[in-house]
Amino acid sequence: SQQGEEDPQALSIQEGENATMNCSYKTSINNLQWYRQNSGRGLVHLILIRSNEREKHSGRLRVTLDTSKKSSSLLITASRAADTASYFCATDPLSGYSTLTFGKGTMLLVSP
Amino acid sequence: DAGVTQSPTHLIKTRGQQVTLRCSPKSGHDTVSWYQQALGQGPQFIFQYYEEEERQRGNFPDRFSGHQFPNYSSELNVNALLLGDSALYLCASSRGGRTRETQYFGPGTRLLVL
Repeated sequence: SQQGEEDPQALSIQEGENATMNCSYKTSINNLQWYRQNSGRGLVHLILIRSNEREKHSGRLRVTLDTSKKSSSLLITASRAADTASYFCATDPLSGYSTLTFGKGTMLLVSP
Repeated sequence: DAGVTQSPTHLIKTRGQQVTLRCSPKSGHDTVSWYQQALGQGPQFIFQYYEEEERQRGNFPDRFSGHQFPNYSSELNVNALLLGDSALYLCASSRGGRTRETQYFGPGTRLLVL
C-alpha cells in the first residue's frame, strides 16, 4: 500500500522558476528520501533527511521535514529542462528493517 | 564502481508462465530489496534479502519468491504469471548494518504479460 501522498500530482513550470513538491505520510519514520525517475526507468536518489533533521540542502535541492505534521517538501530552485521527471518521496519506518514505502509521485514538466 | 545492475531490461511472457529476474548490487552492499512499480504508481515493496535469507516481505502472494547468492546478487521469481503482474520491477541495494542508509536502485526490468 502507498503511505505517502505527493502533491501536486503534476506540475508544469518554465525554466528558471522554482518547483515545490509536497509529501505527506502516515506512520512514524526513521528517515524520508526523495527520488527522481526519468521516463519510467530506474530511480535516482536525490536526498535523505532523518527524522531528527528539519532541513537539508544539496545543490539546487532543499528538503524540509515536519514530523509533527508528517509532511515533507522538496524545492528545486532555478529549474532546468533536464529536471523534467517524476519525483517520489519514500519513507523508511522507525521500527523493523529498512524498507521504503513510496507515494504516487509528482510529475514535473519544465519547459524551455 | 558499477552501480546496481539488472537483467534483462525487457521481457514479454504469457499468462501462466514463470519468469526470473536478476540483480547485482552495488559494490560493498549486502542487502537487496525488490519493488514492483505499476504504470502511473509508485514502487511497492516486494521483499528484502540479507545474508541469503528473506528477512522482510511486503503484501505479495507466494507466487513471488526470491533468492540471494553468497556474492549478494539476487533473483526474483514469479510463477503462474497474471496480466496484473505487468510492471517495472526494480531492485535496490544497500548496506544492511544498523544505520539506515540510502537504497540505490537499478534501471529496472520491464515485464509485459500477455
